Amino acid sequence: QVQLQESGPGLVKPSQTLSLTCTVSGGSISSSTYYWSWIRQPAGKGLEWIGRIHASGITNYHPSLKSRVTMSVDTSKNQFSLRLSSVAAADTAVYYCARELSFDWKLDVWGQGTTVTVSS
Amino acid sequence: DIQMTQSPSSLSASVGDRVTITCRASQSISSYLNWYQHKPGKAPKLLIYAASSLQSGVPSRFSGSGSGTDFTLTISSLQPEDFANYYCQQSYSNTRTFGHGTKVEIK
Repeated sequence: QVQLQESGPGLVKPSQTLSLTCTVSGGSISSSTYYWSWIRQPAGKGLEWIGRIHASGITNYHPSLKSRVTMSVDTSKNQFSLRLSSVAAADTAVYYCARELSFDWKLDVWGQGTTVTVSS
Repeated sequence: DIQMTQSPSSLSASVGDRVTITCRASQSISSYLNWYQHKPGKAPKLLIYAASSLQSGVPSRFSGSGSGTDFTLTISSLQPEDFANYYCQQSYSNTRTFGHGTKVEIK
């Protein structure tokens, strides 16, 4: 059974770069069947899709975040990562990683989420 | 971006009620529509994919319908564990988008 676990700093200073990692266990991140996604939820608000990456390196990012987002995959560690630059208070949120199945296009496995606060 | 509009934003219902949540896309998305349940402090859970397919392990009281721009999630008989937030999400565009959510509360 595949499981995802987010990790990274819980506090980031304004204007700095937020970096999170999602570790995949119970399955291979190299499989061509999946995309690996990041979603966030600011407090009191709904889910916001940030972007996704395929093991081949193909990426899709939300247009409003595209200039600040970089995603990468480390197949040797079975991990994928999110970097969000120039953060501000509006980037404070619970960040989730998730797996998207590439034929039904559904987010079928999610991590538990990690809270990131942007504050000085 | 494809905009997803959910209604209502919240509703109050009793155990045993039939509940319907709607989701409208700003353009046709065929059947590329998923529904998720989200409880506070938990990971979102996939309920329905491809507009009407029930995810494995999800109770049959959940069902989805629709295609094109208009979609519906129905809970046939609301159970105590169903009080949560529900989100639709389109997977038609390479830029995925979620609806703003519907909070299902206890009456």
